[in-house]
This record gives sequence, structure tokens and C-alpha cells, in this order.
Amino acid sequence: SAVISQKPSRDICQRGTSLTIQCQVDSQVTMMFWYRQQPGQSLTLIATANQGSEATYESGFVIDKFPISRPNLTFSTLTVSNLSPEDSSIYLCSVATYEQYFGPGTRLTVT
Amino acid sequence: TQLLEQSPQFLSIQEGENLTVYCNSSSVFSSLQWYRQEPGEGPVLLVTVVTGGEVKKLKRLTFQFGDARKDSSLHITAAQPGDTGLYLCAGDGGGSNYKLTFGKGTLLTVNP
Repeated sequence: SAVISQKPSRDICQRGTSLTIQCQVDSQVTMMFWYRQQPGQSLTLIATANQGSEATYESGFVIDKFPISRPNLTFSTLTVSNLSPEDSSIYLCSVATYEQYFGPGTRLTVT
Repeated sequence: TQLLEQSPQFLSIQEGENLTVYCNSSSVFSSLQWYRQEPGEGPVLLVTVVTGGEVKKLKRLTFQFGDARKDSSLHITAAQPGDTGLYLCAGDGGGSNYKLTFGKGTLLTVNP
């Protein structure tokens, strides 16, 4: 298994600003993922972040809106840019070894 | 596109009752995972089923993977208030990308 921490745990941001979310894993992993969970909804994959290569984005998600960094095998950041109220969600990072494990999530509220 | 249909979407029962949650797809998955998520937390992995027809038990929880690896079920016996949470099934389509397809989830409330 893997222990994953995220910062911040929650934040309230104004429209038009950006928020960067950090994800730290207690072991080296190749594959990390970023998900969005809108209120009352299931999880939607935003992108796959592999160290040493560009992130791969899912349909409906673009790099300009959700830039991702993956500087090493234990850390990644997701930035949500030009915030609007529709971006209010829980953002989760996860890692895949044989199975997938999730961080506790970052609850973002955009006012 | 692989889709997972999960039912029921909401379930409210009394302590001690039994329940079953279903996860169905027209696609074949190499494995299927069940998670439980509590408010303010990330999903926590309960079990992974890999083999068609496989049955796994975790205390009062029984997980079954369909013979054709297209569907799965979660059965809880004698539910307790601590079982309350969002139950999510997620299918792995195979390959090396580890991408999961999630069902919409079942929000279970067990009343004391």
C-alpha cells in the first residue's frame, strides 16, 4: 500500500485566481493520477502524471486549465487555474502500484 | 468507452439488515475494485477481484466478480452504523496505464 498526503486539505478561493494542490507519497511510484469529485458525484479522472514526461489529460480537461508537475517519483502538483464556481469540487490524487490508493482529497470552494 | 452502472444510488436501512450493491457493465474488466469513502476523506480500497466467479469475504462484506468479469456485487450482512458511507466500484480495463472507470457510487446510510 501507499500513504498519500495532500495540501491544502481545503481552501476557499475567489473567482479568477488559481490554487495549487500538492500530493506527497511515502514511497516512489511511477504512476500518479489526479481526479475530480464534484458534489454528490463519483470520481472523474483529470490526468495521469508520470515522472519525466508530460501529463496525459482526459477528454474535457486541458493543460492550460489544469497544469500538472511531477518533479520526482514521490511528489506532484495540480494547479486549477482561472477559478470559477464550477471548479468547486474535491480534488484527489492517487497512485497505482498493483492497486490504486487515494489521498484524503482537497476540498475547493470558489466564491 | 467503458461504463459501470452502479445500483442502487441511495440506500437507507436499519441496523442489522442485509443489503446488496450491484455494479454492472457491458465491458470486460481485468479486475474490479471496491472502495468506501467517508465524508471528508478519500476513497479507501476494500477489495480487488480479479478472477471471473471469484468471491472474497471481508468480515461481514462479501464481494463477487461475475463469471464474465463484467459485473460485481457487494453484499453486507447485518449492517452497522459504521458501514455508512459512499461505496464505489471501479473497473480496470487492463493494459499498463492503470486507468480506472468508476461507477456513480451507492450512498449507504445505516440507521441505529
